[in-house]
Amino acid sequence: DAGVTQSPTHLIKTRGQHVTLRCSPISGHKSVSWYQQVLGQGPQFIFQYYEKEERGRGNFPDRFSARQFPNYSSELNVNALLLGDSALYLCASSLAGDTMTGELFFGEGSRLTVL
Amino acid sequence: LAKTTQPISMDSYEGQEVNITCSHNNIATNDYITWYQQFPSQGPRFIIQGYKTKVTNEVASLFIPADRKSSTLSLPRVSLSDTAVYYCLVVPNTNAGKSTFGDGTTLTVKP
Repeated sequence: DAGVTQSPTHLIKTRGQHVTLRCSPISGHKSVSWYQQVLGQGPQFIFQYYEKEERGRGNFPDRFSARQFPNYSSELNVNALLLGDSALYLCASSLAGDTMTGELFFGEGSRLTVL
Repeated sequence: LAKTTQPISMDSYEGQEVNITCSHNNIATNDYITWYQQFPSQGPRFIIQGYKTKVTNEVASLFIPADRKSSTLSLPRVSLSDTAVYYCLVVPNTNAGKSTFGDGTTLTVKP
């Protein structure tokens, strides 16, 4: 079975530009979460989507937005890029709702560099 | 969401048992304790999860005392490939999607 897939794996942007990152969850997973990981720190929660609705949002500015599609894939959009947005962006899928496991399944991430 | 505290770094040698302790004083009744492993430039990988007492799987054991305010991840006979960052999280059993990561423990295994 395919794991969580993310695209692109690497990208370079300049300040002020916009970026769209994509994520396909594991088949059957309806929850997708996005995390930002700056070098040397743990992943920071950005968004969670479940059944196409936002279920949670971390402490990130409105320049960050996301959505989930009917097939449960998701996009993370970041506008007006800043140098500080350079990071590894991780997508994770999980079974939300009635489950005894809290396991998150992570993709390999999208490495964004803002120049 | 409950905050966790764990050592910033630990060193060990191949073949030794490694124990990483995590404090989570504000853990809620419906929270599970979950550990992840992360290698450089990869996403975190689930290791083990537990609620109380002891849980063991093929790679690790998790010890949780009765008050659940701390937990210990035990890695038996570590190898060089176990060098990684280990994260302790407390996660609601109904929704792992908003899991909060700290800065983890960097384990370095030496030959």
